[in-house]
Amino acid sequence: DAMVIQNPRYQVTQFGKPVTLSCSQTLNHNVMYWYQQKSSQAPKLLFHYYDKDFNNEADTPDNFQSRRPNTSFCFLDIRSPGLGDAAMYLCATSRDRLLAGVETQYFGPGTRLLVL
Amino acid sequence: AQSVTQLGSHVSVSEGALVLLRCNYSSSVPPYLFWYVQYPNQGLQLLLKYTTGATLVKGINGFEAEFKKSETSFHLTKPSAHMSDAAEYFCAVSDGRGGADGLTFGKGTHLIIQP
Repeated sequence: DAMVIQNPRYQVTQFGKPVTLSCSQTLNHNVMYWYQQKSSQAPKLLFHYYDKDFNNEADTPDNFQSRRPNTSFCFLDIRSPGLGDAAMYLCATSRDRLLAGVETQYFGPGTRLLVL
Repeated sequence: AQSVTQLGSHVSVSEGALVLLRCNYSSSVPPYLFWYVQYPNQGLQLLLKYTTGATLVKGINGFEAEFKKSETSFHLTKPSAHMSDAAEYFCAVSDGRGGADGLTFGKGTHLIIQP
């Protein structure tokens, strides 16, 4: 089945130790998104890639970076995780930009990050 | 900026009863509206969406929602609740202003089904 895969499902890191979360998709979608969802809160968009075009949300901290080496993979790098970065990180894809015909976003299961 | 308000962080209904989850939005342009469901430790799954056309939208699992422009609402309903409906439900809006291609989500409503 075509899907959005996130690894690992649970990640424990130490305060200040860089961590990378990964997302892959078999849908061959052009757009990939990263959302941060803190406990009992709504998912918040961090950034997205339209093909190789990177689009950062204005209020996304510099501590968060992303890479998309090819269509299938997208990585979220947290350079120096703080306690406040503990959250569920959701990857999503869509065939095209939401602006163009309101494409559906398909979400992965998420990676829950714990910062010690 | 666009925003979404979901009334009630928790809603409890009896199995077989009507489910009503409320969502109001603000947007200065015609919005695109979505409802997503999230089961524990899982990602979000699209229930239904409104783009244009018919204001009553039917989704999966027997859910439907009605877009009411005059009330800026997009409430989610299901005639008869099932135990498997217990989950977190998110309303979301997209209007694409400022080039943003992501969704703006409400804070979510946790649906509890009483046996």
